[in-house]
Amino acid sequence: DAGVIQSPRHEVTEMGQEVTLRCKPISGHDYLFWYRQTMMRGLELLIYFNNNVPIDDSGMPEDRFSAKMPNASFSTLKIQPSEPRDSAVYFCASSPNWEETQYFGPGTRLLVL
Amino acid sequence: GQSLEQPSEVTAVEGAIVQINCTYQTSGFYGLSWYQQHDGGAPTFLSYNALDGLEETGRFSSFLSRSDSYGYLLLQELQMKDSASYFCAATSSGGYNKLIFGAGTRLAVHP
Repeated sequence: DAGVIQSPRHEVTEMGQEVTLRCKPISGHDYLFWYRQTMMRGLELLIYFNNNVPIDDSGMPEDRFSAKMPNASFSTLKIQPSEPRDSAVYFCASSPNWEETQYFGPGTRLLVL
Repeated sequence: GQSLEQPSEVTAVEGAIVQINCTYQTSGFYGLSWYQQHDGGAPTFLSYNALDGLEETGRFSSFLSRSDSYGYLLLQELQMKDSASYFCAATSSGGYNKLIFGAGTRLAVHP
């Protein structure tokens, strides 16, 4: 298996623009997680899905952030409009069940100017 | 609230043994995981404890004491490539795999 795939790997955009991050989980994994990592706040869970259904989105910072999982092999995290404080590394992770380890993708490095 | 505390930095020399401690305060605690992250890389799973005691995986071992809300990661025969950040993460119970991460411990291994 190729592991968790994220795109783009790097994104530079200007404040106010829409940003869409994409994730393909490992096939057969029922759980998908979106994290954000910054020096100041560390690794934060934004939202996670079980069988394509959002379970907990309490970590989503505000209404500018939204996430979808239209099918078992694809998820998006959208920021609209983006702000400089959204600059971070965004990781997607998946796991086969609730007790198993999480496998992280390589991350998307987002810079909002 | 839920929180995990671990030292921010640890320094050691090649071949030595280092222990990274983690204390947690989480509701519905189920287990403690450890992840390694090299600079510019993604977190990768190292170890998981759901029961009290020591789990050994090669040069790495992890320990959990549920009564003390405490765990540690033990790294033996340190190598330069072990220089990385190490995160403890608590899994909450309730049927869902939600991880709460600590702030991470940066390990620097010197010759």
